Amino acid sequence: QITLKESGPTLVKPTQTLTLTCTFSGFSLSTSGMSVGWIRQPPGKALEWLALIYWNDDKRYRPSLKNRLTITKDSSKNQVVLTMTDMDPVDTATYYCAHSLGLRNYYFDYWGQGTLVTVSS
Amino acid sequence: QSVLTQRPSMSGAPGQRVTISCTGSSSNIGAGYDVHWYQQLPGTAPKLLMYGNSNRPSGVPDRFSGSKSGTSASLAITGLQAEDEADYYCQSYDSGLSGSIFGEGTKLTVL
Repeated sequence: QITLKESGPTLVKPTQTLTLTCTFSGFSLSTSGMSVGWIRQPPGKALEWLALIYWNDDKRYRPSLKNRLTITKDSSKNQVVLTMTDMDPVDTATYYCAHSLGLRNYYFDYWGQGTLVTVSS
Repeated sequence: QSVLTQRPSMSGAPGQRVTISCTGSSSNIGAGYDVHWYQQLPGTAPKLLMYGNSNRPSGVPDRFSGSKSGTSASLAITGLQAEDEADYYCQSYDSGLSGSIFGEGTKLTVL
C-alpha cells in the first residue's frame, strides 16, 4: 500500500525559504519508472503542478517558478524534499506530494493529505 | 500560455448524465498526451478518477467514463448521485512546460 505524507511549517514569513518534506512508503524511488511530484492549491483555486523528480534523479520544474524551486530525494529515507525560496503571500496554498509513474504520460495515483502553508508577516 | 480549459461549474439532478469537458491545445492534449481526471471532495486531497484517457482505477464505479478527441477530453458521469458532488480536474503533459498541467477545475453540484 502506497502512502505519502507532507510535513513542514504551517506559517512562513515573506522572503523566507519554505522547506517541505514528503515521507512515503509502499514503493522505492530507486525503482525504474517511479517519480514523486509536488502540486499546490491556493485556497479556493485550482491545482498547480510545481515539480517532479524521477527515479533516476531527473528533475522537472514549473517554468514560472523554476528559479525558486529545488526538489531532491533521499531514497534511503524514502523522502522527497521541496524547497521554495523568496516566499510571498501569493504562495499561500495547500501543498501536496503525490506518487506517479511514467515519463511524460504520468498521472498522480496516490496523494498525501496535503499541508496548508500560510505566508504572512 | 499552456492552459486546460474547463467550465467553472455544472449541475445535474440525481440519476442524470453529465459530461465535463477539458479543452487543451497542440502542446498538450492535441500532441497526443494522455488526459487524466481527478475528483476532489471538499476538504480532501484529489483522488485519481480516470487515467490514460479512459481507464478507471480499481474501485471507481463504471458510472464514470472518459474519452479524448483532438485537443479535448471529456469525463462522463451517468446515474448522478449526491456523493458525486465535488470538484473535477483534468490533467495532461505539456511539451511547452516540459511538465504537467491541470485544468481549471469544474465544480459539480448535484441538485
